[in-house]
Parts: sequence; structure tokens; C-alpha cells
Amino acid sequence: QKEVEQNSGPLSVPEGAIASLNCTYSDRVSQSFFWYRQYSGKSPELIMSIYSNGDKEDGRFTAQLNKASQYVSLLIRDSQPSDSATYLCAVNSGGSNYKLTFGKGTLLTVNP
Amino acid sequence: DAGITQSPRHKVTETGTPVTLRCHQTENHRYMYWYRQDPGHGLRLIHYSYGVKDTDKGEVSDGYSVSRSKTEDFLLTLESATSSQTSVYFCAISESWGGTTEAFFGQGTRLTVV
Repeated sequence: QKEVEQNSGPLSVPEGAIASLNCTYSDRVSQSFFWYRQYSGKSPELIMSIYSNGDKEDGRFTAQLNKASQYVSLLIRDSQPSDSATYLCAVNSGGSNYKLTFGKGTLLTVNP
Repeated sequence: DAGITQSPRHKVTETGTPVTLRCHQTENHRYMYWYRQDPGHGLRLIHYSYGVKDTDKGEVSDGYSVSRSKTEDFLLTLESATSSQTSVYFCAISESWGGTTEAFFGQGTRLTVV
């Protein structure tokens, strides 16, 4: 069973700080990596995708991928209370580009 | 927002009864998925489809069946509901573009089996 591991948290940061969310995966052939945000009682929302080693920036969000270490992270700069949510890491699995395995998520709380 | 509609949004049913959840998409995406989400377990794949009449099992498929007779509809059936199937069910869709695939989720169905 291919696994995706995340710290469950909660991760608590003050408003304006950088939040760092981490994810490791076990399937070495994985090629696609995603971060989803899920507010309580809502469905997961795709916020970042990354496919090659290095950093990818989109506004206040930066995704980082290191395939050699099987590690992917999400940085949120200038954290806002509206960023408080559970963040899910997802990785394509089983050699399939379209089947995703999810981590259990990290709960982030941004304190005003 | 991706055009994904799940129905019903909430359902309470009795143990032993059959239940069907529907996922309808207007995006013409090839791939459709059913996940369940439970505290402590995260999102787990139940079944998925890679085309009309083409389906396969996920990691937690026991007690569930699916059907896809049209591109836009993917049905999840609990043949005989059990209390362990109380969960939030999410449908997702995706399409493969140049080797990359991004999945988008429906609003979810909260199912309670009493």
C-alpha cells in the first residue's frame, strides 16, 4: 500500500507568519503532487500542483518538491486567519497518472 | 467551480437497506472517482472510472459497487448499508492533459446509517 504521510497538527501560527506544511510519500514512481485546502464541512479545493523538482510559486503559496527525498512541502507566506483549514497532500499512485492517494491532512490555525 | 453535482447532499438510512449516491458532471472529464472521508483516515478511494463502463476498485471497495453508463454520471451503490459506512462521500473528476491530471471535488454527501 503506497502511503502519503503528513503531520496531523494542529499547526498554529500567528497572523503574518510563514506556515510550513510537510508531506512524505513512499511510491518512488510518483510524478504528480498536489495540495488541497479543506475548510471544515466543505469539500477539498485544489490550491497547488507540482510535477518537477524545485519550487513553484503562486501568490502567497509556494510548493516545493524533492523527488530524491520523496518530500513535498507547502509554504504559506503572510498567513491570514482565512488560511485556517486542513491541508491535504495528494500524490499520484500505483504508476497511474490519474489515481491519487491522500495524506490524512494537517490542520492549520492562523491566530489573529 | 468545476461542474460537479452530488445528490443527495444528506441522507439517513437504515442498516440493511440499499443506497445509491449520484455524481453528475458537466465538464466532460474522462475520470471520475468516489472517495469516503472519515476522521483519522483521511480521504480513501472507493472506486474509480476511466471511461464509460470502465471502472476499477480502490482501496476500500468492499460493500460498494459503481456504474457509469454515461460520461456525465457515476453512481455509487451500497448494496446493504452498514453502520461502518456512515461517512462523508466525495465525488471527484479529472482529465489528463499532457501527462498531468488535476482532480476537482463535488460538495460531498453526508450519509448516516442507523
